[in-house]
Parts: sequence; structure tokens; C-alpha cells
Amino acid sequence: EVQLLESGGDWVQPGGSLRLSCVVSGYTFSSYGMNWVRQTPGKGLEWVSGISGGGRTTYYADSVKGRFTISRDNSKSTLFLQMNSLRAEDTAIYYCAKAVEAILRGWDYWGQGTLVTVSS
Amino acid sequence: QSALTQPASVSGSPGQSITISCTGTSSDVGGYNYVSWYQQHPGKAPKLIIYDVSNRPSGVSNRFSGSKSANTASLTISGLQAEDEADYYCNSYASSSTVVFGGGTKLTVL
Repeated sequence: EVQLLESGGDWVQPGGSLRLSCVVSGYTFSSYGMNWVRQTPGKGLEWVSGISGGGRTTYYADSVKGRFTISRDNSKSTLFLQMNSLRAEDTAIYYCAKAVEAILRGWDYWGQGTLVTVSS
Repeated sequence: QSALTQPASVSGSPGQSITISCTGTSSDVGGYNYVSWYQQHPGKAPKLIIYDVSNRPSGVSNRFSGSKSANTASLTISGLQAEDEADYYCNSYASSSTVVFGGGTKLTVL
């Protein structure tokens, strides 16, 4: 059974940093791209970032480029999102999601999400 | 990265068919056959129901189908059931290697 479990969400002040993790099990982690997608409570979904199976290729939404860094440790089947210079508008539930095939084309397994709150 | 346009809400009676549209531009929906659709029930994570415009992942009911014409993609749900009541989101691969989502559509089964 495929499982994705996010952690690391917390309350942080504007300008602060957080590191999210997503531990995966049930498939060969290194064979598939991964993404982070966020959702403001009660609102819509927003793609944040994606990474290739080997970790060499990364993609970012303009809204987080230069502030967030996606990475992965395939030996530990874990995906990360380092978030710096956090802003109030980054407040959201953050989901990790596995790519069906290519990184940015369809995500078939999702975690349950972890809540990030940016507020003074 | 402008959001794709979806109707805020649609409704239908059990057994009927409904269609949800997702309109973008030639830089996203119209330029690539990489549109996906997700179903989200309250308090749950999104679930992939269509990818690459019209492909269904294994385990997804064949009552769900996808299509595309020019800059507009569509999700059709046939034989509407009470359990289909949820929010539906489209997304598309876009130029400069990004992904853009629609604003979401709330489906009400009457």
C-alpha cells in the first residue's frame, strides 16, 4: 500500500523558516517525481514545486521561487521542502504528491497534509 | 501564472450527467495534452480521477471521462451518484515548466 506522510508544519512568524518532510512507503521512491501542492484553508489548490526521481531537476511556482527549496533523500524515501522568508500568504495546508509518470503530469497519491501558519 | 477558469458550482440529480469546464490559454490547456482532474471531499486530500486529458488511473470509475477542445478541457460525470458530491479541480502543465490549477467547482447532487 502506497503511503505518504507529511510532517513539519507549524506556526511561524513572518520572515521565519520551516522544513517540511514527506516520508513515503509502498513503492520505489526514486523511480517517480514528487511535488508539493498547497491549499489555503477553505480555498483552492496551488502547485508549489516539483522534483525528478533522481533529484537533479526541480521546478518552482513563481510565488515561491528563490524562497523555497525542494529536495529528496532517496535512501530514506523522504521528500523535503525548505521554506525561507515565509509570508502570511504562505499559510496553507501543504500536501506532497507522487507523479503518475512525468513530474508535472498527474499526481496519483497524496499525503494527508501538514498545516503551515505564518502569522505574527 | 493565471489560474484556469472553472464554474464555481454545478449540480445534477442522481443518474444524470454533468460536465465541468476548465478554460485556459494556448500557454497551458491549449498547448499541451497534460490536463488533470482531481476530486476532493471535505477534509480529505485530493484524488486523481483523470490525467493527460482523458486517462483514468486504475480504480477510478469509468463514469468519469475527460476531453479537450482548444483552450478548454472538460470533465464529464455520468450516472451521477450521491458520493460524487465534492469539489473538483483541474490543472494543466504550462509553459516555463509550471503547473496551474483551476479555482475549483463544487458539485452538488440534488
